[in-house]
Amino acid sequence: DAMVIQNPRYQVTQFGKPVTLSCSQTLNHNVMYWYQQKSSQAPKLLFHYYDKDFNNEADTPDNFQSRRPNTSFCFLDIRSPGLGDAAMYLCATQGQLNQPQHFGDGTRLSIL
Amino acid sequence: DQQVKQNSPSLSVQEGRISILNCDYTNSMFDYFLWYKKYPAEGPTFLISISSIKDKNEDGRFTVFLNKSAKHLSLHIVPSQPGDSAVYFCAAFNSGNTGKLIFGQGTTLQVKP
Repeated sequence: DAMVIQNPRYQVTQFGKPVTLSCSQTLNHNVMYWYQQKSSQAPKLLFHYYDKDFNNEADTPDNFQSRRPNTSFCFLDIRSPGLGDAAMYLCATQGQLNQPQHFGDGTRLSIL
Repeated sequence: DQQVKQNSPSLSVQEGRISILNCDYTNSMFDYFLWYKKYPAEGPTFLISISSIKDKNEDGRFTVFLNKSAKHLSLHIVPSQPGDSAVYFCAAFNSGNTGKLIFGQGTTLQVKP
């Protein structure tokens, strides 16, 4: 049974058109992460929530925003996608900070 | 500044033989190290971890070795099976800071029947 669910699996949007990716979890984990992964590269952390506390990485573009309305859900908003934002976006959860992260299957975003 | 490096983009081994995947890190503050396996079109799946207070952790066919003085860890898979063919990511974090994982670039393992 999937414990970290990302929707949609594939998303196509137009250049400059806002897009939202969603992540839900059944693990009741405190921490949720969003990563961006481009081909043949390491996943790159964009931001994370510890409960309701939002932590942005210093090099995450302002174009990327996130919301966590409750423990189970977390959203990634890309306000004006550019061609360089085409990537796989991975959501992960973590119960405690010294435990492994659990990943969803990702959303592959394409920009036309 | 890449703090976690996997210098071999790919590795090919014969079924039944040992697979050894290597990883180097630069940050001496890392105290947990993990290996994730990733199949195409799926998210990374946690495989095995090791704390910096240990030098070896074994789980079935998978063993992770940590050499802190060399800042090097390796994943041994024995015997290798065709189903092990995937991308393997090494990752590390400092539990005293945040749970933020730093990933290597990944190594694609192909196990030939």
